[in-house]
Amino acid sequence: GAVVSQHPSWVICKSGTSVKIECRSLDFQATTMFWYRQFPKQSLMLMATSNEGSKATYEQGVEKDKFLINHASLTLSTLTVTSAHPEDSSFYICSARTLVEQFFGPGTRLTVL
Amino acid sequence: DAKTTQPPSMDCAEGRAANLPCNHSTISGNEYVYWYRQIHSQGPQYIIHGLKNNETNEMASLIITEDRKSSTLILPHATLRDTAVYYCIVIGSNFGNEKLTFGTGTRLTIIP
Repeated sequence: GAVVSQHPSWVICKSGTSVKIECRSLDFQATTMFWYRQFPKQSLMLMATSNEGSKATYEQGVEKDKFLINHASLTLSTLTVTSAHPEDSSFYICSARTLVEQFFGPGTRLTVL
Repeated sequence: DAKTTQPPSMDCAEGRAANLPCNHSTISGNEYVYWYRQIHSQGPQYIIHGLKNNETNEMASLIITEDRKSSTLILPHATLRDTAVYYCIVIGSNFGNEKLTFGTGTRLTIIP
């Protein structure tokens, strides 16, 4: 199946710093990319949907100024967690969709100290 | 507005068939049933999907009842690597503009 990569796979940062997570579709062009967040022992929660060249659509309760999403091309989307705090520590998973299939990245574990 | 209902957990002996049920009584005519699984600390992995006919691929079989109100995912010969959380998701044809949302899934544990 198609491959979606994320970088980094894990990151530890200090409170107040910003962290950027990259998501790439390696062998296909994605019409739409999604960002999910998963807390321990919970299910995936959709954070936002983005299409190349346009602004992301955020789910209710997700702060767009805190979680900046840039969808620069059909194969790359980035999520920047700005001024991270310990409560932002989570597993962040990106997903890329073609017209008929949706694939998920391996996830990025963010720990904010 | 949960579209699917799954048991929270199940155990299955290694080598036996694992049968994971899913209820989707409010499914509409153009909605598909998708199954994904998530192994611990990894991203979800696509398994199989179907509309109304039974489907089989190299990973699993999907049995959908005639009224389409429920389905069963079958892993024919479960291995320890099949231990994961399995998600049953109902979504419109070819996704369209819908978002893939995850419920709580079924935590399947394969017992040696």
